[in-house]
Amino acid sequence: SAVISQKPSRDICQRGTSLTIQCQVDSQVTMMFWYRQQPGQSLTLIATANQGSEATYESGFVIDKFPISRPNLTFSTLTVSNMSPEDSSIYLCSVAQASNQPQHFGDGTRLSIL
Amino acid sequence: GNSVTQMEGPVTLSEEAFLTINCTYTATGYPSLFWYVQYPGEGLQLLLKATKADDKGSNKGFEATYRKETTSFHLEKGSVQVSDSAVYFCALSDRSRDDKIIFGKGTRLHILP
Repeated sequence: SAVISQKPSRDICQRGTSLTIQCQVDSQVTMMFWYRQQPGQSLTLIATANQGSEATYESGFVIDKFPISRPNLTFSTLTVSNMSPEDSSIYLCSVAQASNQPQHFGDGTRLSIL
Repeated sequence: GNSVTQMEGPVTLSEEAFLTINCTYTATGYPSLFWYVQYPGEGLQLLLKATKADDKGSNKGFEATYRKETTSFHLEKGSVQVSDSAVYFCALSDRSRDDKIIFGKGTRLHILP
């Protein structure tokens, strides 16, 4: 399966700032996704990152708060904007080679907002 | 809509005990079913999968059988080890719902030496 690298692995940020998380895959993949995992909780899909076009956001998530880029088939970024303590979570990138294939996950970015 | 329900944790067992983590699902189509495992400080890893009724997924001594009649996909292992301590997520993806994965809430497993 693909090797997925996420950066940074963790960060502590000040309220009101923004952080960009990078997801790099060692091979071309059709589908890339961004999830949020709040402490002790399950995963919630934020959006599907579409190559060359705007991401598809799930209900409750908006582009102004979570802008996503996907310039090619191996790389995507998620920005968490104007952060507040409620944004403290693990953010996970996942990829799939096709729509009916299992997703594979990066190790996540552990974000704490002071 | 589609959903996944799994037993609440934490589940605490002694080493070499038999493990069952229950998972049931609701789906309008014909979903694929998965178990993912999350070790402390890591992302999720695919543990096993099953794509149609009566399929049995297996990996690392874990097994789960896709039971359409009971809409279940229970995870089992005959003899657990301390290294199996992790959070286990049952999940489904449904082609009629754009193959988005729906995760259960996760079950934390503690194995005592």
